[in-house]
Amino acid sequence: DAGITQSPRYKITETGRQVTLMCHQTWSHSYMFWYRQDLGHGLRLIYYSAAADITDKGEVPDGYVVSRSKTENFPLTLESATRSQTSVYFCASSPRTGRGYGYTFGSGTRLTVV
Amino acid sequence: GIQVEQSPPDLILQEGANSTLRCNFSDSVNNLQWFHQNPWGQLINLFYIPSGTKQNGRLSATTVATERYSLLYISSSQTTDSGVYFCAVRGGDTGTASKLTFGTGTRLQVML
Repeated sequence: DAGITQSPRYKITETGRQVTLMCHQTWSHSYMFWYRQDLGHGLRLIYYSAAADITDKGEVPDGYVVSRSKTENFPLTLESATRSQTSVYFCASSPRTGRGYGYTFGSGTRLTVV
Repeated sequence: GIQVEQSPPDLILQEGANSTLRCNFSDSVNNLQWFHQNPWGQLINLFYIPSGTKQNGRLSATTVATERYSLLYISSSQTTDSGVYFCAVRGGDTGTASKLTFGTGTRLQVML
């Protein structure tokens, strides 16, 4: 299917476990992003990537790891999940980041850490 | 970093009413988008509008970049318009490269 897809849609994990959230886009967009959405904080950028093998930190990167070996995939890993990482996670992509290029978001992953 | 403020924070309308949502931002932008987050949590892109006016059906948006604000108009509201409306901007500088900064949203509830 064309577009940007996230998996899983819902995930429950235990404190201390490693969990990976997947993001896949079919447009060959250069830029990909991970945001988390929390009540009282809105959407905050975790990590982003300008191209394959190029990643950089956003506002709230602690506790997360990303990789981008292929243009179309941008997985987000919580190395040792904590309850404070309970959130809704959104992946987004954009062909470029200059004027004229919008961002498209996936459907989100609701993660609960117990 | 750039600040984004949205107003009003909450809005309750009767079906068929019109409304205007406002987004103020603190610096020049080269990207402004309006999103609708539906009750199922999906973020739907409504408009990409760093300047000028666009219309899509009952929705329209205007951004006055020189005065640092954008307006989203909803006419003849329907219950399916309920949800949270976000304004998001990317600043004109290259700091934090590609960050899209979100406002805190306007929660809209349309009643029958």
